Amino acid sequence: DAGVTQSPTHLIKTRGQQVTLRCSPKSGHDTVSWYQQALGQGPQFIFQYYEEEERQRGNFPDRFSGHQFPNYSSELNVNALLLGDSALYLCASSLPGQGGKTEAFFGQGTRLTVV
Amino acid sequence: QKEVEQDPGPLSVPEGAIVSLNCTYSNSAFQYFMWYRQYSRKGPELLMYTYSSGNKEDGRFTAQVDKSSKYISLFIRDSQPSDSATYLCAMSGVYNFNKFYFGSGTKLNVKP
Repeated sequence: DAGVTQSPTHLIKTRGQQVTLRCSPKSGHDTVSWYQQALGQGPQFIFQYYEEEERQRGNFPDRFSGHQFPNYSSELNVNALLLGDSALYLCASSLPGQGGKTEAFFGQGTRLTVV
Repeated sequence: QKEVEQDPGPLSVPEGAIVSLNCTYSNSAFQYFMWYRQYSRKGPELLMYTYSSGNKEDGRFTAQVDKSSKYISLFIRDSQPSDSATYLCAMSGVYNFNKFYFGSGTKLNVKP
């Protein structure tokens, strides 16, 4: 089982640019959530995708958008990058509360640096 | 006020010590409680998962949830240098599937 895979692992972008991060969920999982983790902080929920639709969203501006594909993989897009967008971006996959369980498994993350 | 509060540490203990890590929360709707371990520059790894109140034990790890006090704990027995990492508590409600609220993490250092 490959687990949750994210690409790329590291990325450097310039302010104002756009970036796309990618995530493949754990085998058998159909729900993907994205989190932003600033240095020294806990992850903050960005949004969640299930059945190719955004189901929940955290307190992030519209510059953050996403997509889920029929194979359950997902993309996170960030437009008009700001210095404050520099963080570790984590993807988590899970089953949507099946059997009352909401265990989520995280990928290794993409470290985005905005300069 | 943050919904989940966690002492950032760092916490330094000798090998073999019992470690106690704690989080408090304010949202009474939280029903699922998790502990994750995160090594430097890696993704969080699920350690323990608990639904509602009570205790759960898995090897050297014990998770406790006290919903009346809005307080959760993780105990690590016989701590090892390999346990040195940041420990994150996370929680979610029944209807917000997989929308986790994380603490800021406690950095643990177990000295040989």
